[in-house]
This record gives sequence, structure tokens and C-alpha cells, in this order.
Amino acid sequence: DAKTTQPTSMDCAEGRAANLPCNHSTISGNEYVYWYRQIHSQGPQYIIHGLKNNETNEMASLIITEDRKSSTLILPHATLRDTAVYYCIVIRNTGNQFYFGTGTSLTVIP
Amino acid sequence: DTGVSQNPRHKITKRGQNVTFRCDPISEHNRLYWYRQTLGQGPEFLTYFQNEAQLEKSRLLSDRFSAERPKGSFSTLEIQRTEQGDSAMYLCASSKRGDYEQYFGPGTRLTVT
Repeated sequence: DAKTTQPTSMDCAEGRAANLPCNHSTISGNEYVYWYRQIHSQGPQYIIHGLKNNETNEMASLIITEDRKSSTLILPHATLRDTAVYYCIVIRNTGNQFYFGTGTSLTVIP
Repeated sequence: DTGVSQNPRHKITKRGQNVTFRCDPISEHNRLYWYRQTLGQGPEFLTYFQNEAQLEKSRLLSDRFSAERPKGSFSTLEIQRTEQGDSAMYLCASSKRGDYEQYFGPGTRLTVT
């Protein structure tokens, strides 16, 4: 499974969009991009995933570049409850292990 | 959908003791995963079950660790002769056939003194 690189930490003002980048330059054609987040002392929570098209759900949008070497998770209107560690994971469609890395610690500031 | 549950939520034990954790997955999910998370790190994969069969094990899962899922429903993770380095959050997740989205439980925090 491809390795991912994320910034260690980011801040975002409450009510603004939070854009979290992820590099996955070694991604292969059958690997999906998944995003999870983990609020302090809780288990990770699924946010969104995609293969090559942009995806949107009630929580977030996922923008994947055309060459698929990077992606951006967008939280359109960040709230204080979005403060968490966000993990970008790349996994084969037949894979079972998620490699979380250290993620991006997002702090939403009032 | 009652979510993935784990018991106990917290466990404090003395070095050398054995501990066992339980995970109850979402009822229709046939896949079950165990992860370990230490402070400041993301979760690390330990092992994976499909129904009652243990199909993958990480090299992190030493001989002191054993996991079972006897009837393809709940799972247990046992650590024998605990060491201080075993102190961590142990997370369980489940997913259903054909869906790679994993749903995580709240975890069991183990402290070995």
C-alpha cells in the first residue's frame, strides 16, 4: 500500500473551510484514498473515500488530483467539534490493513 | 446499528499479569480488526478476522498476544505476561463483506504498571 505524507498540524478559524492536504505520490491504479479522523480519546471515525473522482458527502469533500498523486480533504464550514487528528490512508481494493501514519492535527480556533 | 463495543474501556494491570479484552462488532459485519495505538501515533494494525478465520497477523503481534473469534461474532484479544511496553489503546474495528470502510470501537486503554 502506498505511503502518505501529511502536515503535522494545521489551524483553521471557526466557520471557514479547512483544507487538509495529503501526498500519495506512489499510489497505484487500484488503490483508494480514505480519510478518517480521531477526536481525542475516541476511536477513528470514517469521513470519506474515493478512487479518482471527487467525492462529497454530508461531512466533507474529497478532491483527488488528476494524476492521483495527492488529495485534499475539505471541511466546508469548520466547527470547534472538528478539532481532531485527520488521517489520510491509501489502500488496495483487496487490502485489509489500514496504515494510519501520524496524521494532521487540526485545531479549529474560535 | 449499535456500533462496535469494547470492554473494558480501561484496564490497569501489573507487569507479568495476563489481560483479555473483548470486542463486539456490528452484527452483520463479517470482518473484524484489532489495532494498537500508542501516544502520539496513529493506530497500528495487529490482526484481522474474516468470520472465525484469522487471516492476517502483523509482526507486532508477538507470541504473548493471541486473538480469537470463535463463532465469527465477538472477538477476544489476550496479552500474556504483560510488559510496560504493552501500555496502549487497543482498538477494534469491523466491516462488512465487499465494503472496506472500517467502523471503530471506542478502544480499551491498557496501563501496565
